[in-house]
Amino acid sequence: NAGVTQTPKFQVLKTGQSMTLQCAQDMNHNSMYWYRQDPGMGLRLIYYSASEGTTDKGEVPNGYNVSRLNKREFSLRLESAAPSQTSVYFCASPPSGSYNEQFFGPGTRLTVL
Amino acid sequence: AQSVAQPEDQVNVAEGNPLTVKCTYSVSGNPYLFWYVQYPNRGLQFLLKYITGDNLVKGSYGFEAEFNKSQTSFHLKKPSALVSDSALYFCAVIGYNFNKFYFGSGTKLNVKP
Repeated sequence: NAGVTQTPKFQVLKTGQSMTLQCAQDMNHNSMYWYRQDPGMGLRLIYYSASEGTTDKGEVPNGYNVSRLNKREFSLRLESAAPSQTSVYFCASPPSGSYNEQFFGPGTRLTVL
Repeated sequence: AQSVAQPEDQVNVAEGNPLTVKCTYSVSGNPYLFWYVQYPNRGLQFLLKYITGDNLVKGSYGFEAEFNKSQTSFHLKKPSALVSDSALYFCAVIGYNFNKFYFGSGTKLNVKP
């Protein structure tokens, strides 16, 4: 099992450009999450999907959209990138159940110039 | 609202000495608490969790955490630190609807030889 995979690992964008971050999990989990990590602020939830076909906003959804394409894949799109979106983005997924820990992908380091 | 606080940005300890990384929580209802570790340029890895039962929880790599309800704390501990324990540590609490995790701001642990 690869667990949670993310592509790309690194990306540099210019202000106003768009891109999609990809996440896939092969653990047959229902829920998937997107976080951003900024120095001194920990991880902040952008969007999550409790199951295939559903998505919900987290703490910091502005400027992002998501698609839960199928059970395996959950993508994060930046329609018009801004320098404030420079961050490290993590996808995560927990097993089904109420108290389970999340499994994290390796992250995507995004720089917006 | 659910939240956790990590009052120390950085903890320095000599190899072989005991270490403590602090976490306090604020929740409505029962607390479900987690510790994660992040090594440089990697995703978060689960260390341990408290759901119910014994207040002393044992986890990976020799780490343990003590749940203290009266002090609303969940401090991470290890009896003898290793240089390889140097990393960023995050405390987290699960939301009341079990759909969301709330992370602390992180504590950088430096273990010196």
